[in-house]
Amino acid sequence: QVQLEQSGAELRKPGSSVKVSCKASRGTFSGYSLSWVRQAPGQGLEWMGGIIPIFGTVDYSQKFQGRVTINTDESTTTAYMELRSLRSDDTAVYYCARGGGGTYYTLFNYWGQGTLVTVSS
Amino acid sequence: EIVLTQSPGTLSLSPGERATLSCRASQSISTYLAWYQQRPGQAPRLLISDASNRATGVPARFSGSGSGTDFTLTISSLEPEDIGVYYCQHRSNWPPGTFGRGTRVEIK
Repeated sequence: QVQLEQSGAELRKPGSSVKVSCKASRGTFSGYSLSWVRQAPGQGLEWMGGIIPIFGTVDYSQKFQGRVTINTDESTTTAYMELRSLRSDDTAVYYCARGGGGTYYTLFNYWGQGTLVTVSS
Repeated sequence: EIVLTQSPGTLSLSPGERATLSCRASQSISTYLAWYQQRPGQAPRLLISDASNRATGVPARFSGSGSGTDFTLTISSLEPEDIGVYYCQHRSNWPPGTFGRGTRVEIK
């Protein structure tokens, strides 16, 4: 059973950056996808971007293009999401989610526990 | 972009009742639809893939149906642990499709 362990809560000031990690235990990213999905307080799920390491494919939601970077380190089975130029409306819980393989890259069958990022001056 | 519209916004039922949740796509998506459950304070959990396939470990009281533009998630007999928000997702080719805005299920 794959488990995704995310880094702890973060408090950042507007204009700064945050980097959240997601480590896979008892599993790997190879052959699968890894996405980041965020959830603002009381709101729904929003896909930010994702990576398919075996193809070197990285895609971002147009909403976050230019402000977010997603990558993986296969040697440590850890994925990272960096969000820059933070604003107060970036306050949210950020989830990593592993997709299936093959035609199921977009089916999120494993999720991290979530990381709360609070942006406040 | 395909838009998913979920209804109702909130469903309030008694334990043992049948819950019927709807997800409508703005254009046909065949059976490329997934359902997720999010219990309060928890991460989402995959329930159903490809409109009707239950994920591993999901109780049999959960079932999905539909194709094209209209989809339904049914909980045959509501249990207290079923409270939370349910999201549908267009399981597109890469990159991922959108999520619906969710249906909240409450216990009366």
